[in-house]
Amino acid sequence: GQQVMQIPQYQHVQEGEDFTTYCNSSTTLSNIQWYKQRPGGHPVFLIQLVKSGEVKKQKRLTFQFGEAKKNSSLHITATQTTDVGTYFCVYKAAGNKLTFGGGTRVLVKP
Amino acid sequence: DTAVSQTPKYLVTQMGNDKSIKCEQNLGHDTMYWYKQDSKKFLKIMFSYNNKELIINETVPNRFSPKSPDKAHLNLHINSLELGDSAVYFCASSQPGVTEAFFGQGTRLTVV
Repeated sequence: GQQVMQIPQYQHVQEGEDFTTYCNSSTTLSNIQWYKQRPGGHPVFLIQLVKSGEVKKQKRLTFQFGEAKKNSSLHITATQTTDVGTYFCVYKAAGNKLTFGGGTRVLVKP
Repeated sequence: DTAVSQTPKYLVTQMGNDKSIKCEQNLGHDTMYWYKQDSKKFLKIMFSYNNKELIINETVPNRFSPKSPDKAHLNLHINSLELGDSAVYFCASSQPGVTEAFFGQGTRLTVV
C-alpha cells in the first residue's frame, strides 16, 4: 500500500530558529495532510494539500506540496515552545483510510 | 462538549485478561476508526467502519474485535491481552467528502 516517509525523526530546535520537516512517497499522491500531536495529546488536523506545487501558510507554518506530488514539506519560522510536538504527514486514501508517516518529533530549546 | 470521546483514558491490566475500550462521536460522522500508536509514536490503522459496516481490517490479530452498535459508537474488545498490546489506542471519526479526521484523546493501555 501507499507509504509516506518522514525525515528527520527528531528535530532539536533553538527557540527563535527555523526548521523544515520533509515527507516523501515513492508514488504520486492525490493529497497530503499534516497533523500535529502535542506531548500526551492526540493528533490534530492542520492542513490538506491537493494541487501540484501548492503552498499554504498558517501564521509561522508554511506547507508545500511538490510539483510531482510525491513530496511535501512543513517549514516553521521563529520556533516557539508552543511548537513542541510530533508532526505527521498523512495520505488520505480511498475509503478515508489515513496512512501516517513516521512523524517528526520537535523539541524546542529555550 | 467533546467531539470524539474514549473511555477509559488509562488502562492497566495483566496478561491474559480481556478488556474493552469504548468510543463515541457526536459529530454525525459515518466513518470511525481505531488506530494504534506504539512507543515510537508510529500510528497505524487497525479498523475502519462506515455506517456500522467493517471497511478496513489491517491484519490485526483476531484477539482484537471491534463492534459498532450504531454509527456514533465504535468499541474495541481485546481478548487474552499480551505485553505487546501495550500502546496508546486512538479512536477517530471522519466524513466522506470532509477533509479532516477527528481523534479522541487516546487510551493508554499497559499490559503487565
